[in-house]
Amino acid sequence: DTGVSQNPRHKITKRGQNVTFRCDPISEHNRLYWYRQTLGQGPEFLTYFQNEAQLEKSRLLSDRFSAERPKGSFSTLEIQRTEQGDSAMYLCASSKTDRAAQHFGDGTRLSIL
Amino acid sequence: GDSVTQMEGPVTLSEEAFLTINCTYTATGYPSLFWYVQYPGEGLQLLLKATKADDKGSNKGFEATYRKETTSFHLEKGSVQVSDSAVYFCALGGETGANNLFFGTGTRLTVIP
Repeated sequence: DTGVSQNPRHKITKRGQNVTFRCDPISEHNRLYWYRQTLGQGPEFLTYFQNEAQLEKSRLLSDRFSAERPKGSFSTLEIQRTEQGDSAMYLCASSKTDRAAQHFGDGTRLSIL
Repeated sequence: GDSVTQMEGPVTLSEEAFLTINCTYTATGYPSLFWYVQYPGEGLQLLLKATKADDKGSNKGFEATYRKETTSFHLEKGSVQVSDSAVYFCALGGETGANNLFFGTGTRLTVIP
């Protein structure tokens, strides 16, 4: 069990650019979640995959955001035409079953210049 | 909708003091309840959990009891250490569907020698 891995750890980009983050879940976990955390707040749910199927999306996930999980393994989260308000920590979590605890990665911190 | 209300911080305690961090929730059905901890510079780690009413979660000297009658899941520790300094998040997991977590805003604990 190597834990949930996220890359990159930090991303600095100019407003208007596209960015992509990667998450590698714990290998036997079929559920994968993306959250966003801003300073001084708890994480907020963005989207959820069961295997390769994206089953739920939060209203926080605007049409500039897209997530994929090809083959039910790693996942990517892409933000197009980044805005200042997208600056946050993006967290990935995985779990084995529907009511099991979620295990979090260390996150990707996005800073928009 | 589902939500968590967590005691605001920051909280500063002397070593060996008693800790309580209050957490109450609003949910339909029978959610699972969690406490996560975030040490400085690290990602979220599961501290303890409870999946049904009257369950007590415990880990590293911390305890929390799932109280359905008061919709609470307060975190307690009898004697805190400097190494317990961290941000603590109460979270609720839905009973069905995505089971994404709803987090409180976090409580920063500082323990001084």
